[in-house]
Amino acid sequence: AQSVSQHNHHVILSEAASLELGCNYSYGGTVNLFWYVQYPGQHLQLLLKYFSGDPLVKGIKGFEAEFIKSKFSFNLRKPSVQWSDTAEYFCAVNPYNQGGKLIFGQGTELSVKP
Amino acid sequence: GAVVSQHPSRVICKSGTSVKIECRSLDFQATTMFWYRQFPKQSLMLMATSNEGSKATYEQGVEKDKFLINHASLTLSTLTVTSAHPEDSSFYICSASRDRANSPLHFGNGTRLTVT
Repeated sequence: AQSVSQHNHHVILSEAASLELGCNYSYGGTVNLFWYVQYPGQHLQLLLKYFSGDPLVKGIKGFEAEFIKSKFSFNLRKPSVQWSDTAEYFCAVNPYNQGGKLIFGQGTELSVKP
Repeated sequence: GAVVSQHPSRVICKSGTSVKIECRSLDFQATTMFWYRQFPKQSLMLMATSNEGSKATYEQGVEKDKFLINHASLTLSTLTVTSAHPEDSSFYICSASRDRANSPLHFGNGTRLTVT
Protein backbone atom coordinates (compact mmCIF):
# COMPACT_ATOMS: atom_id res chain seq x y z
CA ALA A 1 0.00 0.00 0.00
CA GLN A 2 1.12 3.52 -0.67
CA SER A 3 2.22 5.33 2.45
CA VAL A 4 4.18 8.31 3.68
CA SER A 5 6.22 8.16 6.84
CA GLN A 6 7.46 11.10 8.85
CA HIS A 7 10.05 9.99 11.33
CA ASN A 8 9.62 12.58 14.01
CA HIS A 9 6.35 13.08 15.81
CA HIS A 10 7.44 16.08 17.85
CA VAL A 11 10.60 18.12 17.49
CA ILE A 12 11.65 20.77 19.97
CA LEU A 13 14.36 23.24 19.00
CA SER A 14 15.77 26.50 20.22
CA GLU A 15 15.75 29.54 17.95
CA ALA A 16 18.62 29.59 15.43
CA ALA A 17 19.01 25.82 15.54
CA SER A 18 19.01 23.93 12.27
CA LEU A 19 16.05 21.81 11.29
CA GLU A 20 15.68 18.62 9.33
CA LEU A 21 12.41 16.73 9.18
CA GLY A 22 12.43 13.31 7.59
CA CYS A 23 9.91 12.05 5.06
CA ASN A 24 9.93 8.71 3.27
CA TYR A 25 7.33 7.29 0.96
CA SER A 26 6.52 3.91 -0.45
CA TYR A 27 5.56 4.04 -4.12
CA GLY A 28 7.56 2.69 -7.02
CA GLY A 29 6.42 5.05 -9.74
CA THR A 30 6.81 8.73 -10.46
CA VAL A 31 5.60 11.04 -7.74
CA ASN A 32 5.07 14.68 -7.02
CA LEU A 33 6.14 15.67 -3.52
CA PHE A 34 4.97 18.37 -1.17
CA TRP A 35 5.55 19.86 2.23
CA TYR A 36 2.68 21.69 3.90
CA VAL A 37 2.65 23.70 7.09
CA GLN A 38 -0.29 24.23 9.44
CA TYR A 39 0.14 27.03 11.94
CA PRO A 40 -1.97 26.84 15.10
CA GLY A 41 -5.59 27.53 14.25
CA GLN A 42 -4.93 28.01 10.57
CA HIS A 43 -5.38 26.03 7.38
CA LEU A 44 -2.78 24.15 5.44
CA GLN A 45 -0.31 26.18 3.45
CA LEU A 46 2.09 24.95 0.81
CA LEU A 47 5.74 25.31 1.79
CA LEU A 48 7.31 23.82 -1.30
CA LYS A 49 6.80 21.22 -3.97
CA TYR A 50 8.80 18.98 -6.28
CA PHE A 51 7.51 17.88 -9.66
CA SER A 52 10.70 17.36 -11.68
CA GLY A 53 14.13 18.84 -12.38
CA ASP A 54 16.55 19.96 -9.68
CA PRO A 55 15.99 17.66 -6.71
CA LEU A 56 16.83 20.45 -4.31
CA VAL A 57 13.83 22.71 -4.10
CA LYS A 58 13.48 25.96 -2.24
CA GLY A 59 10.26 27.10 -0.70
CA ILE A 60 8.90 29.98 1.27
CA LYS A 61 10.28 31.26 4.57
CA GLY A 62 13.76 29.84 4.01
CA PHE A 63 12.71 26.20 3.81
CA GLU A 64 14.18 23.75 1.34
CA ALA A 65 13.82 20.06 0.65
CA GLU A 66 15.85 17.49 -1.21
CA PHE A 67 14.37 14.66 -3.21
CA ILE A 68 16.57 11.56 -3.13
CA LYS A 69 14.92 9.09 -5.46
CA SER A 70 17.09 6.14 -4.46
CA LYS A 71 16.06 6.59 -0.85
CA PHE A 72 12.42 7.47 -1.53
CA SER A 73 12.98 10.49 0.68
CA PHE A 74 12.03 14.15 0.65
CA ASN A 75 13.46 15.69 3.79
CA LEU A 76 12.67 19.24 4.80
CA ARG A 77 15.43 21.54 6.05
CA LYS A 78 15.92 25.02 7.37
CA PRO A 79 19.33 26.34 8.49
CA SER A 80 18.05 28.52 11.32
CA VAL A 81 14.56 28.24 12.77
CA GLN A 82 12.55 31.02 14.34
CA TRP A 83 9.89 30.98 17.02
CA SER A 84 7.34 31.73 14.30
CA ASP A 85 8.13 28.39 12.65
CA THR A 86 6.27 26.63 15.45
CA ALA A 87 3.64 24.62 13.58
CA GLU A 88 2.67 21.19 12.29
CA TYR A 89 4.48 20.06 9.16
CA PHE A 90 3.06 17.54 6.74
CA CYS A 91 4.81 15.72 3.95
CA ALA A 92 2.55 14.60 1.12
CA VAL A 93 2.95 12.49 -1.99
CA ASN A 94 0.94 12.56 -5.18
CA PRO A 95 1.38 9.42 -7.29
CA TYR A 96 1.74 10.69 -10.82
CA ASN A 97 -1.08 8.66 -12.37
CA GLN A 98 -3.63 9.31 -9.64
CA GLY A 99 -4.82 12.79 -10.48
CA GLY A 100 -4.60 15.17 -7.57
CA LYS A 101 -4.85 12.63 -4.78
CA LEU A 102 -2.49 13.38 -1.93
CA ILE A 103 -1.25 10.86 0.60
CA PHE A 104 -0.16 12.61 3.77
CA GLY A 105 2.37 11.65 6.37
CA GLN A 106 1.44 11.63 10.03
CA GLY A 107 2.76 15.12 10.56
CA THR A 108 5.58 16.49 12.70
CA GLU A 109 4.91 19.02 15.38
CA LEU A 110 7.70 21.56 15.61
CA SER A 111 8.07 23.65 18.75
CA VAL A 112 10.66 26.41 18.67
CA LYS A 113 11.66 27.88 22.01
CA PRO A 114 12.46 31.59 21.99
CA GLY B 1 -4.03 33.84 -6.34
CA ALA B 2 -6.43 30.95 -6.40
CA VAL B 3 -8.60 30.62 -3.33
CA VAL B 4 -10.74 27.81 -2.06
CA SER B 5 -13.54 28.81 0.25
CA GLN B 6 -15.09 26.38 2.67
CA HIS B 7 -18.31 27.03 4.57
CA PRO B 8 -19.19 26.87 7.38
CA SER B 9 -15.95 27.10 9.31
CA ARG B 10 -17.56 25.68 12.42
CA VAL B 11 -20.80 23.82 13.03
CA ILE B 12 -22.39 22.15 16.02
CA CYS B 13 -25.26 19.79 15.47
CA LYS B 14 -27.25 17.20 17.34
CA SER B 15 -26.97 13.47 16.81
CA GLY B 16 -29.15 12.24 14.02
CA THR B 17 -29.20 15.45 12.04
CA SER B 18 -27.44 16.08 8.72
CA VAL B 19 -24.86 18.73 8.01
CA LYS B 20 -23.80 20.12 4.64
CA ILE B 21 -20.35 21.57 4.04
CA GLU B 22 -19.59 23.59 0.94
CA CYS B 23 -16.31 23.91 -0.90
CA ARG B 24 -16.00 26.57 -3.57
CA SER B 25 -13.17 27.48 -5.88
CA LEU B 26 -13.38 31.25 -6.13
CA ASP B 27 -11.29 32.17 -9.14
CA PHE B 28 -10.76 28.99 -11.11
CA GLN B 29 -12.74 26.04 -12.34
CA ALA B 30 -12.01 22.93 -10.35
CA THR B 31 -12.62 19.73 -12.26
CA THR B 32 -11.59 17.77 -9.21
CA MET B 33 -12.08 18.42 -5.53
CA PHE B 34 -10.91 16.33 -2.65
CA TRP B 35 -12.37 15.86 0.80
CA TYR B 36 -10.10 15.08 3.73
CA ARG B 37 -10.73 14.41 7.38
CA GLN B 38 -8.31 15.34 10.11
CA PHE B 39 -8.59 13.90 13.59
CA PRO B 40 -7.01 15.81 16.48
CA LYS B 41 -3.24 15.53 16.48
CA GLN B 42 -3.36 13.33 13.40
CA SER B 43 -2.78 13.67 9.70
CA LEU B 44 -5.22 14.28 6.92
CA MET B 45 -6.94 11.24 5.52
CA LEU B 46 -8.42 11.38 2.08
CA MET B 47 -12.11 10.53 2.20
CA ALA B 48 -13.14 10.90 -1.42
CA THR B 49 -12.37 12.42 -4.77
CA SER B 50 -15.13 14.52 -6.24
CA ASN B 51 -15.27 14.94 -10.02
CA GLU B 52 -17.58 17.44 -11.62
CA GLY B 53 -20.53 15.76 -13.27
CA SER B 54 -19.80 12.26 -12.08
CA LYS B 55 -20.00 10.16 -8.94
CA ALA B 56 -17.42 10.64 -6.26
CA THR B 57 -14.74 8.04 -5.69
CA TYR B 58 -14.54 7.02 -2.06
CA GLU B 59 -11.51 5.69 -0.25
CA GLN B 60 -11.63 2.31 1.38
CA GLY B 61 -13.48 2.38 4.67
CA VAL B 62 -15.41 5.57 4.00
CA GLU B 63 -19.18 5.09 4.01
CA LYS B 64 -20.53 6.69 0.86
CA ASP B 65 -24.10 6.63 2.15
CA LYS B 66 -23.05 8.54 5.22
CA PHE B 67 -20.78 11.07 3.55
CA LEU B 68 -22.65 12.24 0.49
CA ILE B 69 -20.62 14.20 -2.02
CA ASN B 70 -22.05 16.26 -4.82
CA HIS B 71 -19.96 18.14 -7.37
CA ALA B 72 -22.68 19.89 -9.32
CA SER B 73 -20.59 22.58 -10.94
CA LEU B 74 -16.97 23.38 -11.70
CA THR B 75 -16.78 25.67 -8.70
CA LEU B 76 -18.76 23.88 -6.02
CA SER B 77 -18.57 20.56 -4.22
CA THR B 78 -20.61 19.70 -1.14
CA LEU B 79 -20.11 17.11 1.56
CA THR B 80 -23.18 16.12 3.54
CA VAL B 81 -22.69 14.19 6.74
CA THR B 82 -25.97 12.32 7.14
CA SER B 83 -27.40 11.16 10.46
CA ALA B 84 -24.39 12.53 12.27
CA HIS B 85 -23.05 10.84 15.37
CA PRO B 86 -20.51 12.09 17.94
CA GLU B 87 -17.80 9.94 16.33
CA ASP B 88 -18.24 12.01 13.16
CA SER B 89 -16.93 15.03 15.04
CA SER B 90 -13.79 16.04 13.24
CA PHE B 91 -12.11 18.63 11.07
CA TYR B 92 -13.11 18.33 7.41
CA ILE B 93 -10.97 19.94 4.75
CA CYS B 94 -11.48 20.25 1.02
CA SER B 95 -8.98 20.97 -1.68
CA ALA B 96 -9.42 21.81 -5.32
CA SER B 97 -7.42 21.04 -8.40
CA ARG B 98 -7.49 23.13 -11.53
CA ASP B 99 -7.24 20.05 -13.73
CA ARG B 100 -6.84 16.31 -13.44
CA ALA B 101 -3.14 16.28 -14.24
CA ASN B 102 -1.89 18.66 -11.59
CA SER B 103 -1.94 18.06 -7.91
CA PRO B 104 -4.18 20.16 -5.69
CA LEU B 105 -2.33 23.12 -4.33
CA HIS B 106 -5.28 24.90 -2.77
CA PHE B 107 -6.94 23.95 0.46
CA GLY B 108 -10.00 25.35 2.14
CA ASN B 109 -9.83 26.62 5.71
CA GLY B 110 -11.62 23.55 6.98
CA THR B 111 -14.84 22.93 8.86
CA ARG B 112 -14.86 21.95 12.51
CA LEU B 113 -17.86 19.65 13.03
CA THR B 114 -19.01 18.89 16.55
CA VAL B 115 -21.86 16.44 17.01
CA THR B 116 -23.48 16.51 20.44
